[in-house]
Amino acid sequence: GAVVSQHPSRVICKSGTSVKIECRSLDFQATTMFWYRQFPKQSLMLMATSNEGSKATYEQGVEKDKFLINHASLTLSTLTVTSAHPEDSSFYICSATPNGGAGSYNEQFFGPGTRLTVL
Amino acid sequence: QKEVEQDPGPLSVPEGAIVSLNCTYSNSAFQYFMWYRQYSRKGPELLMYTYSSGNKEDGRFTAQVDKSSKYISLFIRDSQPSDSATYLCAMTTDSWGKLQFGAGTQVVVTP
Repeated sequence: GAVVSQHPSRVICKSGTSVKIECRSLDFQATTMFWYRQFPKQSLMLMATSNEGSKATYEQGVEKDKFLINHASLTLSTLTVTSAHPEDSSFYICSATPNGGAGSYNEQFFGPGTRLTVL
Repeated sequence: QKEVEQDPGPLSVPEGAIVSLNCTYSNSAFQYFMWYRQYSRKGPELLMYTYSSGNKEDGRFTAQVDKSSKYISLFIRDSQPSDSATYLCAMTTDSWGKLQFGAGTQVVVTP
C-alpha cells in the first residue's frame, strides 16, 4: 500500500524558534499533499493544501506567514512553524494523494504525525 | 454549527459485541463518505469509503449512508480488543475535495 512518512515524529523546542516538519510519499508521487493539525481529543483540522510547484492554499484563520509550506517535489512537502509559541503545540499530520484519474475517490494516505511541544 | 457532528464517546463495549458508530452532517453536497481508524498518537488509516447513498460491507465492517437523512453509520461486528481506537468519519464533495472530519469517537473493547 501507499506509505507516507513524517519526520521528526516528535520535537520539543523553545518558544520563538522555528521547526521544520517533513512529509514524504515513499512509494508514489503526490501532486497534492495536505497538512492537518489535531489537538487532544479533537478532530483533524485542515490547515492547508499543498500542490507541487505552486503556492499552498491556506484555510481561513491559518496564518500563512507563520506556517510556511513548501512542496518542492512530487514526494516531499515541508511545513515550517516559524517563531513557535506554546499555543502551537499540537499533533501535525500530513496526507498525500497519489496522482490518479478522475471518476473514483482519490484516497488520502496519512503520515504517522509529528507531535510538536513548544516550551 | 459544525458541518459534521460525531459523538466523541468514549464508547465501551464487551468483546464480541457490535459497535455502532454514526455521524450527521449538514452539507447536502457531500458525495464521498469515509471512515478512518486512528490509534493513539498515530495517523488515521482509511477503513472504508462509500460513494453516495447505500451500504458497503468489508469483512466485519459495514458502512451505511443515508443522504436523505444526512446520516452515516459504521458497524463493527464481533468486536475485538484490537478494535479499540478512535474512529473518525469524514466526507467530501468530490473525489479530489477537502475532507471534513467529525470529532472522532473513542471506542474501547474490553476483553
